[in-house]
Amino acid sequence: QVQLRESGPGLVKPSETLSLTCSVSGHSIRSDYYWDWIRQPPGKGLEWIGSLYHTGSTYYNPSLKSRVTFSVDTSKSQFSLRLSSVTAADTGVYYCARQSGVGSSNYVDSWGQGTLVTVSS
Amino acid sequence: QSALTQPASVSGSPGQSITISCTGTSSDVGGYDSVSWYQEHPGKAPKLMIFDVNNRPSGVSNRFSGSKSGNTASLTISGLQAEDEADYYCSSHTSSSTRVFGTGTKVTVL
Repeated sequence: QVQLRESGPGLVKPSETLSLTCSVSGHSIRSDYYWDWIRQPPGKGLEWIGSLYHTGSTYYNPSLKSRVTFSVDTSKSQFSLRLSSVTAADTGVYYCARQSGVGSSNYVDSWGQGTLVTVSS
Repeated sequence: QSALTQPASVSGSPGQSITISCTGTSSDVGGYDSVSWYQEHPGKAPKLMIFDVNNRPSGVSNRFSGSKSGNTASLTISGLQAEDEADYYCSSHTSSSTRVFGTGTKVTVL
């Protein structure tokens, strides 16, 4: 059974870069799945940030695309998120997740526990 | 991309059935049979309840069912139980090969 765990700083200053890493265990990160980042501001709904394949192929939320960068380290079974020029609006719980399905049939079937990131000086 | 539209809240008494709607466009909900539904309890990670419009993952109660008509998808919970009280989110694949979530619905068991 796949397990995902987010790690990274819980506090980031405005205008700086938010960096998070997701460690994948119980399943090969090189398998035929996409790996997602999803966030949730306090008291608000879920927002998809983007998806990453182990080859480096990526899809980003158009509203965040200019500030987001994904990367993958298959040797460590990890994938990462970098979000630049953060503001208070980027505060929230960040989830890493696994996306299942083929082609247009896709859904998130496994989630990390989530990590709270606060943007504040 | 705009979030899919869900009612802010839905309530029902134990044993009753409730339905949550999820309205999008022909570029997302209406264009693909790729609607999924997630249950979120406070402080917990979301849980997949329905995928590909009307399929239940192993372990999910058959009291949960999904459907779609045009640009609107629906999640029905039958035989409502206290443990069903949670937030529910729909999601869909889009024509831009991205994913969009719904605005979320708080289900209250009276």
